[in-house]
Amino acid sequence: AQKVTQAQTEISVVEKEDVTLDCVYETRDTTYYLFWYKQPPSGELVFLIRRNSFDEQNEISGRYSWNFQKSTSSFNFTITASQVVDSAVYFCALGDPPYSGAGSYQLTFGKGTKLSVIP
Amino acid sequence: KAGVTQTPRYLIKTRGQQVTLSCSPISGHRSVSWYQQTPGQGLQFLFEYFSETQRNKGNFPGRFSGRQFSNSRSEMNVSTLELGDSALYLCASSLVPSGSPSSTDTQYFGPGTRLTVL
Repeated sequence: AQKVTQAQTEISVVEKEDVTLDCVYETRDTTYYLFWYKQPPSGELVFLIRRNSFDEQNEISGRYSWNFQKSTSSFNFTITASQVVDSAVYFCALGDPPYSGAGSYQLTFGKGTKLSVIP
Repeated sequence: KAGVTQTPRYLIKTRGQQVTLSCSPISGHRSVSWYQQTPGQGLQFLFEYFSETQRNKGNFPGRFSGRQFSNSRSEMNVSTLELGDSALYLCASSLVPSGSPSSTDTQYFGPGTRLTVL
């Protein structure tokens, strides 16, 4: 069964500190997709990044970076020099190919990590 | 390009009533997925519609149903509401290119409908 674990429920950091959010996943599929979404207090899930299972290249985008390691089934997310606006709940999600052969895939979400950045 | 829109944004109902939520996908997106978010269970997949057909369904009772129209807009319906149905209902759309039966394009979410059942 597909499962996503975000062991950190809540994290508090002081502004300008670096912070890493952990994500570990379980799947039997050989092809799958990993995502990070951000949910600010407004409630909308904002897409941050997507990784395909066959692409282990890590990525840096501004202050954000992602470390995908298939060997440990982890897809960690780091914010460098955190800012107050980064305060939100961050969700890691696993997407499996559409089993019906048509349409989109089903996302399995972790429980989320609430990040508070203190000024 | 406009994002995913959901109406209404807030809804208050009483137990036993039924409710219909609406989702308009991003223009050109043909797949619509619905998710329920509660403090206890987190984000859970409800179902997905593509080409007016339900393609995938999560582990929810039959009181939860949906449909998709020819313009890809989708509605979900919850009948005989229970207190535990109070949640944020999120809809997500993704692109399934014409001529392709499936897609793994990113799902983009709407702002959600917050349902409160009293």
